[in-house]
Amino acid sequence: DIVMTQSPDSLTVSLGERATINCTSSQSLLYSYNNKNYLAWYQQTPGQPPRLLIFWASTRESGVPDRFSGSGSGTHFTLTISSLQAEDVAVYYCQQYSSAPFTFGPGTKVDI
Amino acid sequence: EVQLVQSGAEVKKPGESLKISCKTSGYSFSTYWIGWVRQMPGKGLEWMGIIYPGDSDTRYSPSFEGQVIMSADKSINTAYLQWSSLKTSDTAMYYCARLGLATIWSSWFDPWGQGTLVIVSS
Repeated sequence: DIVMTQSPDSLTVSLGERATINCTSSQSLLYSYNNKNYLAWYQQTPGQPPRLLIFWASTRESGVPDRFSGSGSGTHFTLTISSLQAEDVAVYYCQQYSSAPFTFGPGTKVDI
Repeated sequence: EVQLVQSGAEVKKPGESLKISCKTSGYSFSTYWIGWVRQMPGKGLEWMGIIYPGDSDTRYSPSFEGQVIMSADKSINTAYLQWSSLKTSDTAMYYCARLGLATIWSSWFDPWGQGTLVIVSS
């Protein structure tokens, strides 16, 4: 199985400041035949199901605010919230869909 | 609008059987894989497996193979997750979610159902 790790485990950010979450995979998630990274990011607010934010490592899902952005390639990826809002308090997960089982990272809790 | 609506919370005893459901609407049920994700209390997300309703092809995580059965009924656009003998360690929230690309199983989950809480206690 591909092992996904995230750092930090949690972070506290002031309103309007930047939050950066890192995700590392034990194997490359980049497929050379299509030059795509098979990585997604999700947000889970308390008491809610996860919500897709980013797929293909950097493509924002429709309706997701543009303060959320994804970057990285291969085995190292980053989710950035450029200006944290109160409604962004949540746990954020990365997930690889390159090789089954499509494992999730352990999550990063973001607080204000 | 694509929607996945899951069945309600369940309280069961160890050794009992259970089948929970995920009713879908708003898209062609047969042409998208559907997956199940476990979230134990206070913990992260675990990928359990996926099923393709078109032909009931299934891919289980090794961690869940033999522990649960995934199925789908095309006539009512509904996916199922079932246990034959529950354990206390099965206590968790279970989410169904559709994969993001038609016919492609190597894909992200979107959208998600609201979750079904399963409590197993004697």
